[in-house]
Amino acid sequence: EAQVTQNPRYLITVTGKKLTVTCSQNMNHEYMSWYRQDPGLGLRQIYYSMNVEVTDKGDVPEGYKVSRKEKRNFPLILESPSPNQTSLYFCASSSSSNTEAFFGQGTRLTVV
Amino acid sequence: AQKVTQAQTEISVVEKEDVTLDCVYETRDTTYYLFWYKQPPSGELVFLIRRNSFDEQNEISGRYSWNFQKSTSSFNFTITASQVVDSAVYFCARNAGGTSYGKLTFGQGTILTVHP
Repeated sequence: EAQVTQNPRYLITVTGKKLTVTCSQNMNHEYMSWYRQDPGLGLRQIYYSMNVEVTDKGDVPEGYKVSRKEKRNFPLILESPSPNQTSLYFCASSSSSNTEAFFGQGTRLTVV
Repeated sequence: AQKVTQAQTEISVVEKEDVTLDCVYETRDTTYYLFWYKQPPSGELVFLIRRNSFDEQNEISGRYSWNFQKSTSSFNFTITASQVVDSAVYFCARNAGGTSYGKLTFGQGTILTVHP
């Protein structure tokens, strides 16, 4: 089954404790992205990747890191999480930048 | 950033009413793509439609239709004879052109509630 898998689905952590949210896709897609969803703000793109080792900033990259060492994986790293990063996070992949994106199930992150 | 604006934060209708969700976007690009996604109460994001900037034909898919007007930078979505299962958050999105093709900008979303 074609899918984008994020882990974990729920995470509560403390300020400053580094964490990684994993994202994997099995569709051999070139493009992958991370978004955060906040009430009243819709989805905002954090980072995107056009291919292995090629990444670029979205609209809200501050406080986040990404890497794309393999085509199927695109982890999101929060080196020093803060409460304002409490949000619902989505990973997505697509075959190109112009085609529909397939989204993961979401990761609800709470930073206390 | 070039914005995508969904003017209606929330819409409430009674089943079988028609409803239109508005989407207006900013762009400096000649080539771009527009999208609509649905997020039902279960939380996943579901793709509905994609339209490129050169194709201004309206699209109809069952009870769903989309009206793209490049002159007004709008890409509105109409649900005919709404049903309770249409209750969801709907997002309009636009990708950037040029060297930023991978950037995708979403609107704030419209919460649609269809009452029985």
